[in-house]
Amino acid sequence: KNEVEQSPQNLTAQEGEFITINCSYSVGISALHWLQQHPGGGIVSLFMLSSGKKKHGRLIATINIQEKHSSLHITASHPRDSAVYICAVLRDSGGSNYKLTFGKGTLLTVNP
Amino acid sequence: ETGVTQSPTHLIKTRGQQVTLRCSSQSGHNTVSWYQQALGQGPQFIFQYYREEENGRGNFPPRFSGLQFPNYSSELNVNALELDDSALYLCASSQLGLGSYEQYFGPGTRLTVT
Repeated sequence: KNEVEQSPQNLTAQEGEFITINCSYSVGISALHWLQQHPGGGIVSLFMLSSGKKKHGRLIATINIQEKHSSLHITASHPRDSAVYICAVLRDSGGSNYKLTFGKGTLLTVNP
Repeated sequence: ETGVTQSPTHLIKTRGQQVTLRCSSQSGHNTVSWYQQALGQGPQFIFQYYREEENGRGNFPPRFSGLQFPNYSSELNVNALELDDSALYLCASSQLGLGSYEQYFGPGTRLTVT
């Protein structure tokens, strides 16, 4: 079992729909990242969370540390939101090695 | 725009050859991490360099090696290339030690091994 699991793997939505992508992890973490990757492109960091909730424009990210679960929500989705969304956790190793462990990503396609 | 750049953008190599990929970190960042992303998969941690010393390594063989320089640039070297090394290679820079876990990713280098 992977340490970071995302669902769904693929998601197709109509423009304007509310979208939720989920991430569950099985290890202790210092922080959790939500990342966006366009086809063939590099990775952009959307959020970094260690507790609670963050909002940026139409994007909202929440995390529940006790349940080891995070969600990324997109309100009023738009075709330009089409991308792969990746959840990555920074493990709480107690040391100075800040490596990220990634989920496999969720491919979101928003149709006009 | 993260301020992290990588070169080259794309690269085609033959099995058995050696390759060097380059990353220029954000100014002032003392840490660089390298990741390998195979097609359809999430990135996998290769190693991390902190103040020019290796500071952690993932499950990659010794033919994957790296360097970090005082000017914030770094290199990933892969010897004896194999077909499975074909992937997107990402570097990410960060400022370790100030309680900040933010990592800034470069655009990646797409390596194809034939």
